[in-house]
Amino acid sequence: NAGVTQTPKFQVLKTGQSMTLQCAQDMNHEYMSWYRQDPGMGLRLIHYSVGAGITDQGEVPNGYNVSRSTTEDFPLRLLSAAPSQTSVYFCASSYSTQGYGYTFGSGTRLTVV
Amino acid sequence: GDSVTQMEGPVTLSEEAFLTINCTYTATGYPSLFWYVQYPGEGLQLLLKATKADDKGSNKGFEATYRKETTSFHLEKGSVQVSDSAVYFCALNSNAGNMLTFGGGTRLMVKP
Repeated sequence: NAGVTQTPKFQVLKTGQSMTLQCAQDMNHEYMSWYRQDPGMGLRLIHYSVGAGITDQGEVPNGYNVSRSTTEDFPLRLLSAAPSQTSVYFCASSYSTQGYGYTFGSGTRLTVV
Repeated sequence: GDSVTQMEGPVTLSEEAFLTINCTYTATGYPSLFWYVQYPGEGLQLLLKATKADDKGSNKGFEATYRKETTSFHLEKGSVQVSDSAVYFCALNSNAGNMLTFGGGTRLMVKP
Protein backbone atom coordinates (compact mmCIF):
# COMPACT_ATOMS: atom_id res chain seq x y z
CA ASN A 1 0.00 0.00 0.00
CA ALA A 2 1.85 3.10 -1.25
CA GLY A 3 -0.40 5.71 0.41
CA VAL A 4 0.16 9.19 -1.06
CA THR A 5 2.93 9.51 -3.65
CA GLN A 6 4.35 12.87 -4.68
CA THR A 7 6.75 13.57 -7.52
CA PRO A 8 9.25 15.09 -7.92
CA LYS A 9 10.92 15.30 -4.49
CA PHE A 10 13.05 18.29 -5.47
CA GLN A 11 12.73 20.89 -8.22
CA VAL A 12 14.47 24.12 -9.18
CA LEU A 13 12.62 26.48 -11.51
CA LYS A 14 13.47 29.78 -13.08
CA THR A 15 11.07 32.69 -12.59
CA GLY A 16 8.29 32.51 -15.15
CA GLN A 17 8.56 28.79 -15.84
CA SER A 18 5.58 26.50 -15.36
CA MET A 19 5.46 23.01 -13.95
CA THR A 20 3.14 20.38 -12.50
CA LEU A 21 3.56 18.70 -9.14
CA GLN A 22 2.10 15.22 -9.21
CA CYS A 23 0.09 13.57 -6.42
CA ALA A 24 -1.45 10.10 -6.47
CA GLN A 25 -3.16 8.04 -3.77
CA ASP A 26 -4.24 4.41 -3.78
CA MET A 27 -6.59 4.43 -0.78
CA ASN A 28 -9.75 5.39 -2.68
CA HIS A 29 -9.97 8.61 -0.68
CA GLU A 30 -12.48 11.16 -1.94
CA TYR A 31 -10.83 14.16 -0.31
CA MET A 32 -7.47 15.44 -1.53
CA SER A 33 -5.66 18.68 -0.85
CA TRP A 34 -2.47 20.63 -1.43
CA TYR A 35 -0.63 22.53 1.29
CA ARG A 36 2.50 24.62 1.30
CA GLN A 37 4.82 24.72 4.29
CA ASP A 38 6.86 27.82 5.03
CA PRO A 39 9.10 28.40 8.06
CA GLY A 40 7.16 29.53 11.14
CA MET A 41 3.82 29.52 9.29
CA GLY A 42 2.70 25.94 9.63
CA LEU A 43 0.88 24.57 6.62
CA ARG A 44 -1.50 26.61 4.49
CA LEU A 45 -4.13 25.15 2.20
CA ILE A 46 -3.76 25.96 -1.51
CA HIS A 47 -6.57 23.97 -3.18
CA TYR A 48 -8.68 20.97 -2.30
CA SER A 49 -11.05 18.50 -3.90
CA VAL A 50 -13.95 16.55 -2.39
CA GLY A 51 -14.20 14.17 -5.33
CA ALA A 52 -13.48 13.69 -9.02
CA GLY A 53 -14.50 16.76 -11.00
CA ILE A 54 -14.88 18.96 -7.89
CA THR A 55 -12.21 21.42 -6.75
CA ASP A 56 -12.18 24.56 -4.63
CA GLN A 57 -9.78 27.21 -3.43
CA GLY A 58 -8.09 27.19 -0.07
CA GLU A 59 -6.33 29.92 1.83
CA VAL A 60 -3.55 30.74 -0.67
CA PRO A 61 -4.70 29.76 -4.20
CA ASN A 62 -3.17 32.55 -6.29
CA GLY A 63 -0.64 31.34 -8.87
CA TYR A 64 -1.78 27.71 -8.68
CA ASN A 65 -4.23 25.62 -10.64
CA VAL A 66 -5.67 22.16 -10.00
CA SER A 67 -7.94 19.61 -11.62
CA ARG A 68 -9.31 16.25 -10.49
CA SER A 69 -10.18 13.97 -13.37
CA THR A 70 -9.83 10.73 -11.39
CA THR A 71 -10.19 9.74 -7.72
CA GLU A 72 -6.51 8.78 -7.59
CA ASP A 73 -4.76 11.85 -9.01
CA PHE A 74 -4.67 15.51 -7.98
CA PRO A 75 -1.93 17.47 -9.80
CA LEU A 76 -0.93 21.01 -8.82
CA ARG A 77 0.12 23.37 -11.60
CA LEU A 78 2.28 26.43 -11.16
CA LEU A 79 1.33 28.72 -14.01
CA SER A 80 4.27 31.18 -13.94
CA ALA A 81 6.67 30.48 -11.09
CA ALA A 82 7.70 33.31 -8.76
CA PRO A 83 10.33 33.36 -5.97
CA SER A 84 7.46 33.70 -3.45
CA GLN A 85 6.43 30.17 -4.41
CA THR A 86 9.66 28.73 -3.05
CA SER A 87 8.33 26.32 -0.44
CA VAL A 88 7.76 22.70 0.48
CA TYR A 89 4.53 21.35 -0.98
CA PHE A 90 2.52 18.55 0.57
CA CYS A 91 -0.35 16.60 -0.87
CA ALA A 92 -2.79 14.98 1.56
CA SER A 93 -5.81 12.73 1.26
CA SER A 94 -8.57 11.56 3.58
CA TYR A 95 -11.67 9.42 3.63
CA SER A 96 -13.68 12.48 4.63
CA THR A 97 -13.18 16.14 5.47
CA GLN A 98 -14.65 15.72 8.94
CA GLY A 99 -13.07 13.98 11.87
CA TYR A 100 -10.63 11.75 10.01
CA GLY A 101 -6.88 12.03 9.96
CA TYR A 102 -5.18 12.97 6.74
CA THR A 103 -2.47 10.92 5.03
CA PHE A 104 0.35 13.12 3.76
CA GLY A 105 2.84 12.57 0.98
CA SER A 106 6.56 13.04 1.61
CA GLY A 107 6.62 16.47 -0.01
CA THR A 108 8.15 18.35 -2.93
CA ARG A 109 10.82 20.94 -2.17
CA LEU A 110 10.54 23.68 -4.79
CA THR A 111 13.02 26.50 -5.29
CA VAL A 112 12.27 29.33 -7.70
CA VAL A 113 15.28 31.41 -8.71
CA GLY B 1 -12.07 32.28 11.23
CA ASP B 2 -10.49 29.19 12.71
CA SER B 3 -7.03 29.45 14.21
CA VAL B 4 -4.55 27.35 16.18
CA THR B 5 -1.84 28.72 18.45
CA GLN B 6 1.10 26.60 19.60
CA MET B 7 3.96 27.40 21.90
CA GLU B 8 7.01 28.48 20.00
CA GLY B 9 10.08 26.31 20.02
CA PRO B 10 12.50 24.92 19.94
CA VAL B 11 11.84 22.89 23.05
CA THR B 12 15.01 21.18 24.25
CA LEU B 13 14.75 18.35 26.78
CA SER B 14 16.96 15.64 28.17
CA GLU B 15 16.03 12.02 27.56
CA GLU B 16 13.34 10.74 29.98
CA ALA B 17 12.09 14.25 30.77
CA PHE B 18 8.36 15.13 30.79
CA LEU B 19 7.03 16.87 27.71
CA THR B 20 4.21 19.38 27.36
CA ILE B 21 3.52 21.29 24.16
CA ASN B 22 0.68 23.76 24.54
CA CYS B 23 -2.01 24.19 21.92
CA THR B 24 -5.08 26.43 22.02
CA TYR B 25 -7.63 27.01 19.33
CA THR B 26 -10.42 29.24 18.08
CA ALA B 27 -13.20 27.66 16.06
CA THR B 28 -16.94 27.65 15.58
CA GLY B 29 -18.92 24.68 16.82
CA TYR B 30 -17.19 21.49 17.88
CA PRO B 31 -14.04 20.91 15.83
CA SER B 32 -12.01 17.73 15.64
CA LEU B 33 -8.50 18.18 17.00
CA PHE B 34 -5.27 16.55 15.85
CA TRP B 35 -1.57 16.32 16.57
CA TYR B 36 0.75 15.58 13.67
CA VAL B 37 4.48 14.83 13.82
CA GLN B 38 7.04 15.59 11.12
CA TYR B 39 10.43 13.89 11.21
CA PRO B 40 13.30 15.49 9.27
CA GLY B 41 12.85 15.26 5.51
CA GLU B 42 9.46 13.55 5.77
CA GLY B 43 5.79 14.40 5.46
CA LEU B 44 3.41 14.79 8.37
CA GLN B 45 2.12 11.73 10.20
CA LEU B 46 -1.02 11.65 12.28
CA LEU B 47 0.00 11.15 15.92
CA LEU B 48 -3.37 11.28 17.67
CA LYS B 49 -6.80 12.84 17.47
CA ALA B 50 -9.92 13.65 19.48
CA THR B 51 -13.31 14.38 18.00
CA LYS B 52 -15.38 15.58 20.96
CA ALA B 53 -15.02 17.35 24.29
CA ASP B 54 -13.23 15.40 27.07
CA ASP B 55 -11.96 12.79 24.61
CA LYS B 56 -8.35 11.73 25.17
CA GLY B 57 -6.27 10.82 22.15
CA SER B 58 -3.20 8.66 22.72
CA ASN B 59 -0.48 6.98 20.69
CA LYS B 60 3.15 5.91 21.23
CA GLY B 61 3.11 7.26 24.81
CA PHE B 62 1.78 10.68 23.75
CA GLU B 63 -1.54 11.94 25.07
CA ALA B 64 -3.78 14.98 24.57
CA THR B 65 -7.21 15.77 26.05
CA TYR B 66 -9.85 17.84 24.25
CA ARG B 67 -10.72 20.63 26.71
CA LYS B 68 -13.60 22.69 25.37
CA GLU B 69 -13.84 24.93 28.44
CA THR B 70 -10.27 26.13 27.90
CA THR B 71 -10.21 25.54 24.10
CA SER B 72 -7.00 23.58 24.50
CA PHE B 73 -5.43 20.33 23.30
CA HIS B 74 -2.03 20.14 24.97
CA LEU B 75 0.33 17.33 23.98
CA GLU B 76 2.07 15.41 26.77
CA LYS B 77 4.49 12.53 27.14
CA GLY B 78 5.83 11.21 30.40
CA SER B 79 9.33 10.24 29.26
CA VAL B 80 10.73 11.45 25.95
CA GLN B 81 13.33 9.64 23.89
CA VAL B 82 15.92 10.91 21.42
CA SER B 83 13.80 9.37 18.67
CA ASP B 84 10.95 11.77 19.55
CA SER B 85 12.97 14.68 18.16
CA ALA B 86 10.74 16.15 15.45
CA VAL B 87 8.37 19.02 14.69
CA TYR B 88 4.89 18.71 16.19
CA PHE B 89 1.83 20.39 14.69
CA CYS B 90 -1.52 20.95 16.35
CA ALA B 91 -4.45 21.17 13.92
CA LEU B 92 -8.21 21.40 13.84
CA ASN B 93 -10.97 20.52 11.42
CA SER B 94 -14.12 22.49 12.08
CA ASN B 95 -17.60 21.15 11.39
CA ALA B 96 -18.22 23.78 8.74
CA GLY B 97 -14.87 23.57 6.99
CA ASN B 98 -13.20 21.43 4.34
CA MET B 99 -9.69 21.96 5.56
CA LEU B 100 -7.24 21.39 8.37
CA THR B 101 -6.08 24.55 10.11
CA PHE B 102 -2.54 24.16 11.48
CA GLY B 103 -0.57 25.83 14.19
CA GLY B 104 2.93 27.04 13.38
CA GLY B 105 4.64 23.90 14.66
CA THR B 106 6.91 23.27 17.65
CA ARG B 107 10.36 21.75 17.18
CA LEU B 108 11.33 19.28 19.90
CA MET B 109 14.96 18.37 20.44
CA VAL B 110 15.77 15.56 22.88
CA LYS B 111 19.37 15.18 24.03
CA PRO B 112 20.84 11.92 25.34
